[in-house]
Amino acid sequence: DAGVTQSPTHLIKTRGQQVTLRCSPISGHKSVSWYQQVLGQGPQFIFQYYEKEERGRGNFPDRFSARQFPNYSSELNVNALLLGDSALYLCASSLLGQQNQPQHFGDGTRLSIL
Amino acid sequence: GENVEQHPSTLSVQEGDSAVIKCTYSDSASNYFPWYKQELGKRPQLIIDIRSNVGEKKDQRIAVTLNKTAKHFSLHITETQPEDSAVYFCAASDYKLSFGAGTTVTVRA
Repeated sequence: DAGVTQSPTHLIKTRGQQVTLRCSPISGHKSVSWYQQVLGQGPQFIFQYYEKEERGRGNFPDRFSARQFPNYSSELNVNALLLGDSALYLCASSLLGQQNQPQHFGDGTRLSIL
Repeated sequence: GENVEQHPSTLSVQEGDSAVIKCTYSDSASNYFPWYKQELGKRPQLIIDIRSNVGEKKDQRIAVTLNKTAKHFSLHITETQPEDSAVYFCAASDYKLSFGAGTTVTVRA
């Protein structure tokens, strides 16, 4: 079975632009979470979605938004990009949206802001 | 919110020796504690996890212990091998994963 897949793998944008990142969960998984990982740090939680509803949001500005589709795939949108948004964006899927469910990560999208 | 602290930040061990990484958490509502291994340029890979109703769990050369009262948990790797070299992250879950800052483990041949 395929694992969590993310696209694109790399992206270069300039300040002020907008970006959409995509994630397909493991088949059968209904929950998707997004994390931002800055170089040298642990991943930081951005959003969790379960059954197309937002279950949680981390300490990120309103420029960050996400949604989950009926097939459980998800998109993360970031508007008005800043230099500080440069990071690896990771998507993780889990079977359910409960707190003690293992989360499995994709390879991430590396976003560079010039 | 949850705050997870992880020590040490770097760890160098001789091949065959043991490695221990320690984490503390702040939110008593957290009840799930996974450990991830991340090699350079790759995804975090879940290597072991423990739930709050269990004190210890072992999987081959890897073991994790949890002390709920003290709010700390540890990862133990025995008989280390060069392929164990990576960054290891602990995390605590109160519905989302809160990660520690990571430990860079280097196994010297």
